[in-house]
Amino acid sequence: GENVEQHPSTLSVQEGDSAVIKCTYSDSASNYFPWYKQELGKGPQLIIDIRSNVGEKKDQRIAVTLNKTAKHFSLHITETQPEDSAVYFCAASKLDTGRRALTFGSGTRLQVQP
Amino acid sequence: GAVVSQHPSRVICKSGTSVKIECRSLDFQATTMFWYRQFPKQSLMLMATSNEGSKATYEQGVEKDKFLINHASLTLSTLTVTSAHPEDSSFYICSALTQNYGYTFGSGTRLTVV
Repeated sequence: GENVEQHPSTLSVQEGDSAVIKCTYSDSASNYFPWYKQELGKGPQLIIDIRSNVGEKKDQRIAVTLNKTAKHFSLHITETQPEDSAVYFCAASKLDTGRRALTFGSGTRLQVQP
Repeated sequence: GAVVSQHPSRVICKSGTSVKIECRSLDFQATTMFWYRQFPKQSLMLMATSNEGSKATYEQGVEKDKFLINHASLTLSTLTVTSAHPEDSSFYICSALTQNYGYTFGSGTRLTVV
């Protein structure tokens, strides 16, 4: 089955700096790669996603890049703010066929220092 | 957008009792619901996948007689933890999958078994 690895497990940056979180996946048939932000005691919130037919996607301060050949994808947050502090999870699935459940990475605790 | 309402948000129960967690899809029909469990500072682990009107498919290592899943309607899926023990204490999260809205997560249920 799918295996998603995520690094780093913790990340501390100064306000205004950029943050990068990286994930690799094992199943080349996976075609959907979302990123979630989870605050304490709450369910995950989708912040950005990308499909396998796209290499990059951007939404204001947040961007995701996908390298299908290397089977890795990354989350980039620019101009970080204290409210970006949370746990971030990457995930992968075969959205249209086969196993459609999301497989999650192990999470990254991002701390933005004011 | 799509909303999945999950209740209760927190529950404390005595060892040996059963607890039911409900997830309702508001304004859309959820043909597929995923149930995840998340231990403190860990990732979301898939427990089971349920499709409306059919039996749930459980992940390896998840006891189907202990974690009863019912998905009898397109707007309601329930997870019942039977004969709960302290090691079942965890954060349980449901997620609906639809063609129009992708994955929509509930807000989670914090179960504490004493």
